[in-house]
Amino acid sequence: AQSVAQPEDQVNVAEGNPLTVKCTYSVSGNPYLFWYVQYPNRGLQFLLKYITGDNLVKGSYGFEAEFNKSQTSFHLKKPSALVSDSALYFCAVRGPTGGGNKLTFGTGTQLKVEL
Amino acid sequence: DAGVTQSPTHLIKTRGQQVTLRCSPKSGHDTVSWYQQALGQGPQFIFQYYEEEERQRGNFPDRFSGHQFPNYSSELNVNALLLGDSALYLCASSLWEGYSNQPQHFGDGTRLSIL
Repeated sequence: AQSVAQPEDQVNVAEGNPLTVKCTYSVSGNPYLFWYVQYPNRGLQFLLKYITGDNLVKGSYGFEAEFNKSQTSFHLKKPSALVSDSALYFCAVRGPTGGGNKLTFGTGTQLKVEL
Repeated sequence: DAGVTQSPTHLIKTRGQQVTLRCSPKSGHDTVSWYQQALGQGPQFIFQYYEEEERQRGNFPDRFSGHQFPNYSSELNVNALLLGDSALYLCASSLWEGYSNQPQHFGDGTRLSIL
């Protein structure tokens, strides 16, 4: 079975400071990993994905994520946070085989960026 | 280019009733997945449809059923509603292509409240 853990319910950061939102995963075989963001009363918006290749993946709105196979982690990062980045962030995993196309999500991390 | 559209946006039902939620996938997509997002939780996979057949199912009872039409749109039906069915129901579309590595695109969801 595949699973995702997001150990922090909330992350607070000052505008202009770097941010990190943590994610660890468990899946058989090589993982397909995704980050999504959810604004209030909206659906999930795709940010970035890791399938294979470079461990540092760049995505939308200046976000990037670092894949670490030995630590089974896929942390979301941004060098300089904006107040408008405040939202709920979800990490998701899909196995390359046996899991079909279904995504397994973490419980989410609320990011709050303050002035 | 229209994204994923869901209707209705909000719905209020009472216990024991049944409900039908609708989804139109993003243009060019042929696969529809449904997720349930309870308050404060990550989305949970319900099932996925491709070529008008249910291809994969999550851990949900038979009260949850679905359908996909020839134009790729989809319906989610829930019978004998329980209080615990109150949630945001998200539809996501993608391309089948076997185990596609492309991200799923989400609609803004239907908020279902059970009284």
